[in-house]
Formats: sequence, structure tokens, C-alpha cells
Amino acid sequence: DAGITQSPRHKVTETGTPVTLRCHQTENHRYMYWYRQDPGHGLRLIHYSYGVKDTDKGEVSDGYSVSRSKTEDFLLTLESATSSQTSVYFCAISEPTWTSSQETQYFGPGTRLLVL
Amino acid sequence: KQEVTQIPAALSVPEGENLVLNCSFTDSAIYNLQWFRQDPGKGLTSLLLIQSSQREQTSGRLNASLDKSSGRSTLYIAASQPGDSATYLCAVIKAAGNKLTFGGGTRVLVKP
Repeated sequence: DAGITQSPRHKVTETGTPVTLRCHQTENHRYMYWYRQDPGHGLRLIHYSYGVKDTDKGEVSDGYSVSRSKTEDFLLTLESATSSQTSVYFCAISEPTWTSSQETQYFGPGTRLLVL
Repeated sequence: KQEVTQIPAALSVPEGENLVLNCSFTDSAIYNLQWFRQDPGKGLTSLLLIQSSQREQTSGRLNASLDKSSGRSTLYIAASQPGDSATYLCAVIKAAGNKLTFGGGTRVLVKP
């Protein structure tokens, strides 16, 4: 298994509070991603990073920010949590191989977030 | 916009039967396609990756085919076992370093 950990694994918080989720990898992969998984919507990309301090938005980025100050860590912050952000959050990593199409994304165990 | 569909959403089979899981996508310009397995409350485990230039990929009892022109991939699981019970997701990627676009998954139950 790829060395990806997420913390916390479970969190309950109240509407309006800030929340930070952490993804840590030991694979030295350049690309890191945050997805959320919701019934009826599947997995959707929130933000991704293609290097230290290099990040970009995904399809559902509103209400979220990210930071990557080290290769191994990618943080997802909910500035002011809302009930619509109750979800399961997955971190993924990849190392694109520009000479072939064998790039695989590896996923962490997920964080279950409940916003009351 | 790429859309990925998996039908059926759920499938129940007796142990020993072969499983056939379908995935269709609307834009044939893909870089590769991945099949994942997800157990309840767990993360995603990559099963097979098919490069855009390939037609199939095999790993043990698993075989995945890819027909880019028709926008379809099929995952075959031979001689199913109760331990194969899980949700199976397919996902496509448009280019290196891009996001994965996922289907909704097929939930499989293999009855002993």
C-alpha cells in the first residue's frame, strides 16, 4: 500500500468553525489531491497540488482552501464549516509519468467529517 | 465535460459465478482508465489500470477491457468469492496530473 495517512480519521464540528484536514505521504510523489465522496455525487475533486506551494482548484472548491509547504503534507481547510460540507474526504497522490500513461492515483483511508 | 456511468448500481450473485461490471464514458480522449475497489468505510484500492493504448489488462482473477472508440470498459471477475463483495469504481483521466473522473460505482454482493 502507498504510504498515505490522513488525520483526523473522524471529526464532528459545528457550523461556522474552521476545520483543517491533513494528508501525509511518504512516497515523495509530486501530485496530491483532495476529493470528497457523497452519495449520489460520487467522488469529486476539491483542490490539487503539483508541487510545493503550487496548487489549483478542482470542480467543487468553493468554501475550501489548501496549502502545501512540504512535499509530504497537503492540508485542506474549511474556513467556516457548513452542513453541506459533511462528507468523506479522501486524499490521493500520484507521480505523473510523462513518457507513458501508467500514472496511478493512490488513495488514503479517508476522513469522515460531520458538520452539525 | 466527461461523464462516467456504471450500470447496474448494485449486483448480487451466488458464489462461483463470474462477475461482469460495466463502465461507460462520454469523451473517448482519455489518458488511462482505472478500476478501484472500495470496502464499506474504507479508502479506494487500485485494482487495474488500462493505458489508452491498451485493450485489456489482467491481474489474477481480474480482467479489464477497454474500447475507447465506443467509450466502454468492462471488468470481469472470474469465479466470484464472498470476499469480492465491495463497491467497484471506474475512473478515467484526461491527461497526466489531471483529476480522475469517477463513475457512481457498482455495489457487488457475492452470496455464499
